[in-house]
Amino acid sequence: GAVVSQHPSRVICKSGTSVKIECRSLDFQATTMFWYRQFPKQSLMLMATSNEGSKATYEQGVEKDKFLINHASLTLSTLTVTSAHPEDSSFYICSAVRDSSTDTQYFGPGTRLTVL
Amino acid sequence: QKEVEQNSGPLSVPEGAIASLNCTYSDRGSQSFFWYRQYSGKSPELIMFIYSNGDKEDGRFTAQLNKASQYVSLLIRDSQPSDSATYLCAVGYSNYQLIWGAGTKLIIKP
Repeated sequence: GAVVSQHPSRVICKSGTSVKIECRSLDFQATTMFWYRQFPKQSLMLMATSNEGSKATYEQGVEKDKFLINHASLTLSTLTVTSAHPEDSSFYICSAVRDSSTDTQYFGPGTRLTVL
Repeated sequence: QKEVEQNSGPLSVPEGAIASLNCTYSDRGSQSFFWYRQYSGKSPELIMFIYSNGDKEDGRFTAQLNKASQYVSLLIRDSQPSDSATYLCAVGYSNYQLIWGAGTKLIIKP
């Protein structure tokens, strides 16, 4: 299998607070993980590529100081939304590459963030 | 600019019929191609991947790849209402990244 979990599945927070989202590969080691954001009725938007043991690579327009990514182990990557604002409310989804010989991405179930 | 194009739909298909979803891509050097299914409010789920020209079958799903014409398609046989979802086409890029199409919304009518 290729199971990816995310925690929490849903979070509501006040404006100005920080929220941490965890992404874990449960039955494989993932040297590369990705973080996406999806607004209602819109396409997946890649935010950043996370490689174990190195700094994340952010897509153009994504603030690296606002969306902190840490990939400290082969099974865990975290995304921290710092000083969240209502416009950060979205569906955040991580994915992981199971096998370095292929580029198949397996997705976590997603985290729905609502900032009040 | 590498692009992946899909008709946004919705594509409406009667239950039991074949649903045909199409995708074109711009980078002639692309080597890997993926179909994902996404239900409303859920994350994408891998259906199939294909690397070689021709057909690849998995149950009711068949992926077809034509590199010369730069298109990839997904056929769903014996369509069921539970197949109603948005189908995302993705093409391999570099460093394991995928270039995503915007998705085709499929509606299977009972």
